[in-house]
Amino acid sequence: EDKVVQSPLSLVVHEGDTVTLNCSYEVTNFRSLLWYKQEKKAPTFLFMLTSSGIEKKSGRLSSILDKKELFSILNITATQTGDSAIYLCAVTPRKGTYKYIFGTGTRLKVLA
Amino acid sequence: DAGITQSPRHKVTETGTPVTLRCHQTENHRYMYWYRQDPGHGLRLIHYSYGVKDTDKGEVSDGYSVSRSKTEDFLLTLESATSSQTSVYFCAISAGGGEEAFFGQGTRLTVV
Repeated sequence: EDKVVQSPLSLVVHEGDTVTLNCSYEVTNFRSLLWYKQEKKAPTFLFMLTSSGIEKKSGRLSSILDKKELFSILNITATQTGDSAIYLCAVTPRKGTYKYIFGTGTRLKVLA
Repeated sequence: DAGITQSPRHKVTETGTPVTLRCHQTENHRYMYWYRQDPGHGLRLIHYSYGVKDTDKGEVSDGYSVSRSKTEDFLLTLESATSSQTSVYFCAISAGGGEEAFFGQGTRLTVV
């Protein structure tokens, strides 16, 4: 059965700290892994990682994919209170099925 | 922002009544999804569609049905609402399976 496990479930840090969020997965014929940020409303897209793109960076956020060990990490450096959110990881199987399988998310709270 | 609209945004209904949620997109994306989000469970797939009149079940499809008669509209129906279906429902769209998915703003449904 395809599944995604995220850790930790929740995390409290202070502004300026660096955090690492983990996502491990088991999926039949992996196609892509996606990270989303969810504040009070809809999840918003952060990164997509595939076999041809195993490292992504945008400002203070970066992510890597380890296809051999079946996990991804999302790093946030110099955290700010605006980074407080739930971070969701999802994987998609290879063409032929169209599902996005989500983990339960990591709730990050950044204190001023 | 992707053109995706969910309606209604909030609804309170009584146990045993049928309820229909609507997802409307203006992006002409082929794939559409209905998820529910509950504390501790993350996003769980209810049903998805890979084209007009082409739909399939997700992991939590019992008690739900869907229809897609036009590319732009994907309807989710709770045939006879139960308290366990109290949740936040998100619609998502994507241009291709495994590509970035965009989410609607969500519908908060309360079954009393």
